[in-house]
Amino acid sequence: KQEVTQIPAALSVPEGENLVLNCSFTDSAIYNLQWFRQDPGKGLTSLLLIQSSQREQTSGRLNASLDKSSGRSTLYIAASQPGDSATYLCAVSPNNDMRFGAGTRLTVKP
Amino acid sequence: DTAVSQTPKYLVTQMGNDKSIKCEQNLGHDTMYWYKQDSKKFLKIMFSYNNKELIINETVPNRFSPKSPDKAHLNLHINSLELGDSAVYFCASSHPGLAVETQYFGPGTRLLVL
Repeated sequence: KQEVTQIPAALSVPEGENLVLNCSFTDSAIYNLQWFRQDPGKGLTSLLLIQSSQREQTSGRLNASLDKSSGRSTLYIAASQPGDSATYLCAVSPNNDMRFGAGTRLTVKP
Repeated sequence: DTAVSQTPKYLVTQMGNDKSIKCEQNLGHDTMYWYKQDSKKFLKIMFSYNNKELIINETVPNRFSPKSPDKAHLNLHINSLELGDSAVYFCASSHPGLAVETQYFGPGTRLLVL
């Protein structure tokens, strides 16, 4: 059964810092991996999606990497801003289903 | 111009009541989902429908019954509500035919059972 773990559970950084969020999964037979952002009181927003055949995806200040063989993904956020404060979730899809991690709560201090 | 909408946004009710949560998507997607987010923020899939047909039915109490009147709607009816049903329920939709299968989520329905 697929298990998804995110480390750290919470992270607080000063504005402008570069940071890395980690996601690990136990079953490498995935279809794709997504990173989401969750803001309090709001739904999930998809940030990046990496297909199983890809190694990384970039969108603006965000870069996500995928290493299927080791069961790991990282989300790199460059030059963090207070507006980046949210919970970040990673999810893996073996097929039509999605398995989520518990998330990393990020706080970027001005 | 909301893509995936859920109603109500908040729902507070007594144990034993029956309630429904509605979900609608205007993206033209074929597949819709219901997820439950527990207190630890884990999102667990409950049901998935493709073209009004049930394709994923995880182990959830049979008090939970999804209903899909058409491709754009997937409602969740819950009978005899229990305290443990308190959670945030998310609806989502996707279109498997696309090269990049992204799930689009609704804003969530916060259910509190007293």
